[in-house]
Amino acid sequence: GAGVSQSPRYKVAKRGQDVALRCDPISGHVSLFWYQQALGQGPEFLTYFQNEAQLDKSGLPSDRFFAERPEGSVSTLKIQRTQQEDSAVYLCASSSGLAGRTDTQYFGPGTRLTVL
Amino acid sequence: KQEVTQIPAALSVPEGENLVLNCSFTDSAIYNLQWFRQDPGKGLTSLLLIQSSQREQTSGRLNASLDKSSGRSTLYIAASQPGDSATYLCAAGVINTGTASKLTFGTGTRLQVTL
Repeated sequence: GAGVSQSPRYKVAKRGQDVALRCDPISGHVSLFWYQQALGQGPEFLTYFQNEAQLDKSGLPSDRFFAERPEGSVSTLKIQRTQQEDSAVYLCASSSGLAGRTDTQYFGPGTRLTVL
Repeated sequence: KQEVTQIPAALSVPEGENLVLNCSFTDSAIYNLQWFRQDPGKGLTSLLLIQSSQREQTSGRLNASLDKSSGRSTLYIAASQPGDSATYLCAAGVINTGTASKLTFGTGTRLQVTL
């Protein structure tokens, strides 16, 4: 595709529900990132995939958060037993991997999660 | 742990004015410094990326500089336009496993350009 896409764009969940957020990176991009952006704050790193391998999950706030990228393309961020503090915008980004650590990251529009 | 700070938090300028946005980071061991624009309710649009070995990058009316030794970057916007109104975020690319750097963001500068 032309850019990074995410779905759904908006999600409202009742406290305790499980949610799944999807990211479609730019075709062929090796690296995929998830970030969490609270209202009025900058995005914060959650996790990183290189192809299908999850190489860094140091930013996941609790074991209720789980991410996967089984075929090295589409990724899903799952949040179990949602809490109000999980309300945020979840951003996905991808990079080509061609320039290594100096790659530009391209961001999707985000999923705004509201937990009631 | 890398910390990124942006000053000012908000800025309002009349159309046509040149302006500078500031970004500082605590750990000079970065791979790159990236500037983004974020419009309300939207994702991030990459504006400029400066590699750690570079001093500046230019794109149109935008110029970004990087001084690793002092832990500072600036984004210069020339001849500002109302369409430049947005939140500007800087992010430092920091060490990560694998081949990509992960980004540590500042909290942004909200810019409003008035007619």
